[in-house]
Amino acid sequence: EVQLVESGGGLVQPGGSLRLSCAASGFTFSTSSMNWVRQAPGKGLEWVSYISSSSRTIYYADSVKGRFTISRDNAKNSLYLQMSSLRAEDTAVYYCARYFPTTDGDYWGQGTLVTVSS
Amino acid sequence: QAGLTQPPSVSKGLRQTATLTCTGNSNNVGNQGVAWLQQHQGHPPKLLSYRNNNRPSGISERFSASRSGNTASLTITGLQPEDEADYYCSAWDSSLSAVVFGGGTKLTVL
Repeated sequence: EVQLVESGGGLVQPGGSLRLSCAASGFTFSTSSMNWVRQAPGKGLEWVSYISSSSRTIYYADSVKGRFTISRDNAKNSLYLQMSSLRAEDTAVYYCARYFPTTDGDYWGQGTLVTVSS
Repeated sequence: QAGLTQPPSVSKGLRQTATLTCTGNSNNVGNQGVAWLQQHQGHPPKLLSYRNNNRPSGISERFSASRSGNTASLTITGLQPEDEADYYCSAWDSSLSAVVFGGGTKLTVL
């Protein structure tokens, strides 16, 4: 059974930092490109970042560029998102996802809620 | 980052057909593969179609997608109560080097 389990969310003050983790199982993580996608309360989906299977290719949304860092550890079947200089508008459920618009076989975690508030 | 344009809401009757649209430009919808995702309240999204008109295994044949120019469409036939959900289109944007999503369409089945 495929599982993506996010952790690390919580309440953080503006300007603070948080590190999200995503533990993958049930599929070949090491050959899968991965993404972080977020969804603010009551809003639509917003892509955050992409990392290729080898970590050689990384992309970020303009809204997080310079503040967030995506990484992965294929030996641990894990995906990470280091978030710094957090703002109120970063408040959202963050999904770890094996997803790409041109690729079959999507997997999504249940999400972890990040709340940025004083 | 500019996203794709979707109507905020569509309402159709039970067993009717709904067509949802998604408009982009030549950097995304027009020349990159489009995906459609379904999201029920409180759940993660689920892929319904990828690369314009390909249906993943396990997805009902009632869902079909197409693309013409810079506009993509998702057609749902024989609407059922469980089809009531939010639907998102998505594509790679070659000028932004980013995945873009539409704002989502809330489908109501009357």
